[in-house]
Amino acid sequence: GNSVTQMEGPVTLSEEAFLTINCTYTATGYPSLFWYVQYPGEGLQLLLKATKADDKGSNKGFEATYRKETTSFHLEKGSVQVSDSAVYFCALTGNQGGKLIFGQGTELSVKP
Amino acid sequence: DTGVSQDPRHKITKRGQNVTFRCDPISEHNRLYWYRQTLGQGPEFLTYFQNEAQLEKSRLLSDRFSAERPKGSFSTLEIQRTEQGDSAMYLCASSLAQGHTEAFFGQGTRLTVV
Repeated sequence: GNSVTQMEGPVTLSEEAFLTINCTYTATGYPSLFWYVQYPGEGLQLLLKATKADDKGSNKGFEATYRKETTSFHLEKGSVQVSDSAVYFCALTGNQGGKLIFGQGTELSVKP
Repeated sequence: DTGVSQDPRHKITKRGQNVTFRCDPISEHNRLYWYRQTLGQGPEFLTYFQNEAQLEKSRLLSDRFSAERPKGSFSTLEIQRTEQGDSAMYLCASSLAQGHTEAFFGQGTRLTVV
């Protein structure tokens, strides 16, 4: 079945450091890929998405590119801020959309 | 519209009791999903509705769990004869049906079974 694997956390960075959180997936067909973020005390919210191969999703300085050849959707940000401290979840939906399959989440802590 | 709302936010119950949670989706969204999240894990799909029809249930969903969406608007998730292993955050999300549209999540109901 479909699955998502993320790099384990927690990840601790200093402010303005470069961030990469790895995500790889297993899926049949042509899934859509998502990054969701959960800030402390808040619900999950969509950060960015990509619906087909080679698409790049971007939002709030974060980017991720849908790489079908490596089945990956790594999250990157050039310069993190303390306010980016949160748990990040990679997820996919199948061909017809619908339910999300999540990775286990990666906790990011950014220190001033 | 204030987004997806869930009630209650927290529930503590004794083992063996029944509990029911409610989810109010975004009003124009015809898809509604339930997920369960335990500490340190990603949300795990339980079931989803399109309008009032329950289209898919996870194999992980035991027969103690039942969900309804009687008029295609709000939904309830009931857990009968709760067990300590049911302790988790129960998340509801809603979306439009067509394409790969964004799912909007509520803040969840945290269940603790003692």
